Amino acid sequence: GEDVEQSLFLSVREGDSSVINCTYTDSSSTYLYWYKQEPGAGLQLLTYIFSNMDMKQDQRLTVLLNKKDKHLSLRIADTQTGDSAIYFCAEFLLRGYQKVTFGIGTKLQVIP
Amino acid sequence: NAGVMQNPRHLVRRRGQEARLRCSPMKGHSHVYWYRQLPEEGLKFMVYLQKENIIDESGMPKERFSAEFPKEGPSILRIQQVVRGDSAAYFCASSPSGGSDTIYFGEGSWLTVV
Repeated sequence: GEDVEQSLFLSVREGDSSVINCTYTDSSSTYLYWYKQEPGAGLQLLTYIFSNMDMKQDQRLTVLLNKKDKHLSLRIADTQTGDSAIYFCAEFLLRGYQKVTFGIGTKLQVIP
Repeated sequence: NAGVMQNPRHLVRRRGQEARLRCSPMKGHSHVYWYRQLPEEGLKFMVYLQKENIIDESGMPKERFSAEFPKEGPSILRIQQVVRGDSAAYFCASSPSGGSDTIYFGEGSWLTVV
């Protein structure tokens, strides 16, 4: 079945690294995404990783994928107050068309 | 090169009224998806449409909800006889084809039922 799980809340101090974790169940996922949502706003695609990759780095963002454990993480280096938002993990399944299943979202609070 | 455009961004309806949410996909995109985000929850898939066809509506509530994507014009998500539980953010996404690697989301339409 398709299920994506995330912890609900994470609090870090400004300047520290944040690590947001996600687990998924469908091993046939082709891509895994991270989206950011600020209050009252839409979804901003942060990054995505192909399922045949282990790691992807993009400036302050590092995505790690452990396919064996079906575990995905997003590391934000040097976390800033502007990073405070909800972060959604999503898995992309090709079922003749893309079907994206989202996690419930992790609320990141950055303490100045 | 406009992105996915949704309107209205905010809509207030009284219980029993109808809500119509519109989504114009990105230029060149013929595949549209609708997702719903209930308060304090993640996004849930509702329906996937191609031009003039509903491909997968497995996430649509059985009653009062309908979606269309006509040959011309935007995709419409229609909610009849709204109830308080319909209050949510409704996100539309589009892609150029069913097998492309990324879908692009709109800014969302926030429906409040009073």
